[in-house]
Amino acid sequence: EPEVTQTPSHQVTQMGQEVILRCVPISNHLYFYWYRQILGQKVEFLVSFYNNEISEKSEIFDDQFSVERPDGSNFTLKIRSTKLEDSAMYFCASSEGRGWSTDTQYFGPGTRLTVL
Amino acid sequence: GEDVEQSLFLSVREGDSSVINCTYTDSSSTYLYWYKQEPGAGLQLLTYIFSNMDMKQDQRLTVLLNKKDKHLSLRIADTQTGDSAIYFCAETLVSGGYNKLIFGAGTRLAVHP
Repeated sequence: EPEVTQTPSHQVTQMGQEVILRCVPISNHLYFYWYRQILGQKVEFLVSFYNNEISEKSEIFDDQFSVERPDGSNFTLKIRSTKLEDSAMYFCASSEGRGWSTDTQYFGPGTRLTVL
Repeated sequence: GEDVEQSLFLSVREGDSSVINCTYTDSSSTYLYWYKQEPGAGLQLLTYIFSNMDMKQDQRLTVLLNKKDKHLSLRIADTQTGDSAIYFCAETLVSGGYNKLIFGAGTRLAVHP
């Protein structure tokens, strides 16, 4: 069964460093998402992406964050200058795009980001 | 604003039924979802229900929706130790033609012999 994959599973970085989290969505899906879950807190929406542009972003997704689909398979989240409070589990998701009201999102296993 | 609330913990005996409850705020939500997260794993889609339904059954899982009270529940029949996980309720919010999921905090289900 097709699934969303994410790499790495765990990333440790120093505060102020740039990180890139990678995702391979399900191959025929057209919509892509990033969510994050700070330890002990809710899963929060960060950004959605369609047709090579951001369709919606939350207030968390500030200028330090960017997303890109560099080729036909990868979808990346970049944090330019990491802060301690960016430590979280980051989930990538994708959906078919059959119709916005019926689109089910499928999630990857997550990347745990630890900022020291 | 948009919010989804769940109780944080549920403990059941193996073989009993588990009922996990959720309340949501946005009456325009079209789909409501249940995701399961096992330790160290991602979010696995369990089931979903369309807002014009009041019940959906899928093998051991039964989803009940009370749209008037904005209350959603997930019943797991014959709960097994493999069902131990965190269960997230999520509502769909649609804006500008795109949807995003609003999650509850998750209910940790512990199944004991």
